[in-house]
Amino acid sequence: QVQLVESGGGVVQPGGSLRLSCEASGFTFTSYHMHWVRQAPGKGLEWVAVAWYDGSNKYYADSVEGRFTVSRDNSKNTLYLEMNSLRDVDTAVYYCARGWEKTAGGGKLDYWGQGTLVTVS
Amino acid sequence: EIVLTQSPATLSLSPGERATLSCRASQRVSSYLAWYQQKPGQAPRLLIYDISNRATGIPARFSGSGSETDFTLTISSLEPEDFAVYYCQQRSNWPPLLTFGGGTKVEIK
Repeated sequence: QVQLVESGGGVVQPGGSLRLSCEASGFTFTSYHMHWVRQAPGKGLEWVAVAWYDGSNKYYADSVEGRFTVSRDNSKNTLYLEMNSLRDVDTAVYYCARGWEKTAGGGKLDYWGQGTLVTVS
Repeated sequence: EIVLTQSPATLSLSPGERATLSCRASQRVSSYLAWYQQKPGQAPRLLIYDISNRATGIPARFSGSGSETDFTLTISSLEPEDFAVYYCQQRSNWPPLLTFGGGTKVEIK
């Protein structure tokens, strides 16, 4: 079965850095685009970034562009989010989610991890 | 950037009633419109993708419809487990950026 397990969250001071990981299993990781989505406490969902199936393309929300970097290691079935220059407003649960298959197109996020909490304070 | 506006913010209904949730886009969107359900302390769950396709394992009481800028999620007869927050989400053609609506909370009346 598909599993996504995030790790790396914690408490960090404003201006600090943190790296999140998302280990995937149960599917062919190299066939899917992978996303990060976040949710501030008591708020809605905010898309953060996507890494293309082979890491060739990466796209970001305006709110994190230039500060966050998404990457993946397909040999380890792992997605990463490097977060720099963190701000109070980045405090959120960060989810990784499986996007659409590389040849299928689409826009859905069909599997989600349980999330990891990042607190900037 | 396409903005998705969901209404109402809160929907108070009783089990067995029909729920109609709206998602309006600031400009025409592609067919890549999805709906998610989220319960407290849980990750979101995909319900509907490509406007009207139910995801694997989603009951038939959930249906999606709409086009261009106006989309609807309908729950034909609310079950106790359906009381939750629902989000719509779209993908821009290129670059493939995603945006979510602000959510609709379906609560027990």
